Amino acid sequence: DTGVSQDPRHKITKRGQNVTFRCDPISEHNRLYWYRQTLGQGPEFLTYFQNEAQLEKSRLLSDRFSAERPKGSFSTLEIQRTEQGDSAMYLCASSLSWTSGKYNEQFFGPGTRLTVL
Amino acid sequence: AQTVTQSQPEMSVQEAETVTLSCTYDTSENNYYLFWYKQPPSRQMILVIRQEAYKQQNATENRFSVNFQKAAKSFSLKISDSQLGDTAMYFCAAQPGNQFYFGTGTSLTVIP
Repeated sequence: DTGVSQDPRHKITKRGQNVTFRCDPISEHNRLYWYRQTLGQGPEFLTYFQNEAQLEKSRLLSDRFSAERPKGSFSTLEIQRTEQGDSAMYLCASSLSWTSGKYNEQFFGPGTRLTVL
Repeated sequence: AQTVTQSQPEMSVQEAETVTLSCTYDTSENNYYLFWYKQPPSRQMILVIRQEAYKQQNATENRFSVNFQKAAKSFSLKISDSQLGDTAMYFCAAQPGNQFYFGTGTSLTVIP
């Protein structure tokens, strides 16, 4: 396994279009996270899954954003009716869930850079 | 509200010297984790070091160590014997529950 992968790495779209990003976590990881990172800022939490269940969503995640993890493996993040303010790097991370209080590290993917024109 | 503050947007250090990056945080939780992540120009985030809040002993990982002051809610990163490969953005992060909260980052440049 080569780690967390994301596709595409770069996406340029016009305002109003829909875009979908994919994240493939490390195969045995049951937790998957999505973050957004704008220039000069740290990553901002968007949502996280444990297996196929979406357990938490940030208030940053507007109705135009939806994430799925249908079989508890890969995940998709869709943005509908994109706006220029959606331009950012979208990061995915995965980890094992905590067991008996043992922490399990998050591993990040390389990100998908979205530019909305 | 959970916040993480990094007050040093940019820092530089001579190769082989020591540098300390500052971080303060605010959380109402009693149990949490603190992290330093490195993001090189290729932009893939890598965990540098982790500290459990209930542990008083400061974490160390080779040339990286932290100074964790729980009462002051301070969590600084010390990099000893700086190397050119340490040039990167460094993010401090707190995890009080399932969510991570990141600071705005410190851009560190190691000068040959």
